[in-house]
Amino acid sequence: GNSVTQMEGPVTLSEEAFLTINCTYTATGYPSLFWYVQYPGEGLQLLLKATKADDKGSNKGFEATYRKETTSFHLEKGSVQVSDSAVYFCALGHTGRRALTFGSGTRLQVQP
Amino acid sequence: DAGVTQSPTHLIKTRGQQVTLRCSPKSGHDTVSWYQQALGQGPQFIFQYYEEEERQRGNFPDRFSGHQFPNYSSELNVNALLLGDSALYLCASSDQGALSYEQYFGPGTRLTVT
Repeated sequence: GNSVTQMEGPVTLSEEAFLTINCTYTATGYPSLFWYVQYPGEGLQLLLKATKADDKGSNKGFEATYRKETTSFHLEKGSVQVSDSAVYFCALGHTGRRALTFGSGTRLQVQP
Repeated sequence: DAGVTQSPTHLIKTRGQQVTLRCSPKSGHDTVSWYQQALGQGPQFIFQYYEEEERQRGNFPDRFSGHQFPNYSSELNVNALLLGDSALYLCASSDQGALSYEQYFGPGTRLTVT
């Protein structure tokens, strides 16, 4: 079946540091891949997406590249801000199935 | 353009009771999915409704049931509540005809079972 594995958190960084959150997946076919962000007390917001191999999704300085050869979709940001503190979820949407499969989430804490 | 809305925001129930949660999808969306997010975990798919029928279901018992109305809004019902049902329940809407599997999430309903 489908599964998503994320690096465990929390990840604690200083402001302006470089961020990488690892995400790997297992799926048959060619899923679409997503990163969602959840701020404290809120629902999930779509951060970025990629629908096919080698696509790069980007938004608000975050980016992730769909790597089929390594089944990965790592999230990166060159310079984090305190306001980026949140929980980040990697997810996949499998062909013909509209349900999303989520990873367990990675909490990011950015200190001033 | 209103996004996905859910009600109520918070709910406290006693073990054994029944609960109904409500969701209105984003304008233009016709498909509603429900997810359960336990504390510190990622969302788990419960089921999905399209054209007023349950189309897909995750690994949840029959105590979890739902409904979709002609205006695309949806309800999630949970019977015989257990302490383990305490979680954030998220509703997500999407367009069945869209090529992407992008889903838009509501703020969730926090259910506490005591």
